[in-house]
Amino acid sequence: GESVGLHLPTLSVQEGDNSIINCAYSNSASDYFIWYKQESGKGPQFIIDIRSNMDKRQGQRVTVLLNKTVKHLSLQIAATQPGDSAVYFCAENIWGNTPLVFGKGTRLSVIA
Amino acid sequence: EAGVAQSPRYKIIEKRQSVAFWCNPISGHATLYWYQQILGQGPKLLIQFQNNGVVDDSQLPKDRFSAERLKGVDSTLKIQPAKLEDSAVYLCASSLVAGNTIYFGEGSWLTVV
Repeated sequence: GESVGLHLPTLSVQEGDNSIINCAYSNSASDYFIWYKQESGKGPQFIIDIRSNMDKRQGQRVTVLLNKTVKHLSLQIAATQPGDSAVYFCAENIWGNTPLVFGKGTRLSVIA
Repeated sequence: EAGVAQSPRYKIIEKRQSVAFWCNPISGHATLYWYQQILGQGPKLLIQFQNNGVVDDSQLPKDRFSAERLKGVDSTLKIQPAKLEDSAVYLCASSLVAGNTIYFGEGSWLTVV
């Protein structure tokens, strides 16, 4: 069936470097995408979202890029900090319609 | 603004026993979700409520799992009898309306031994 997936299961970056976490989605009908951060022992925390009518959205130190042509989503974290260490999930749905479908997650480890 | 509240945070039971988890969503959120998250995987939807009605329970193992949201606010998820493979984090989440941004609670961690 259609699903959301991730290219890399783990990512290690040096503190201060930029991080890029990638996600591929296969449901062409999806028009809403979210990135969640999940720290150990906690529930997923909303980071940033993007609608399909946009290709880029920026937050505080984070940027989400959407490429609908190749069905690819990425999360960029600027100046990665130790507190960014967590598992990051992308999720997608049809806005106002279907429940969110989650990928398996990428673990980000920040090396001090 | 208070977030999604869940209890208990941790529970250890023996197989074939029963367990219940409670959730209080964000105030004003009409839609409530229960997700199951097995270690190393993304959350998987079990059931979705819109107010006190079930919208989607297609992934809920109905022979052992049940959930209710009688007054359209709090919700309870029950597992009876529990199996070893039910060991997971049970995440409650809510959104203002269906399909909108979902906010999660901290989860209830279940270990079945």
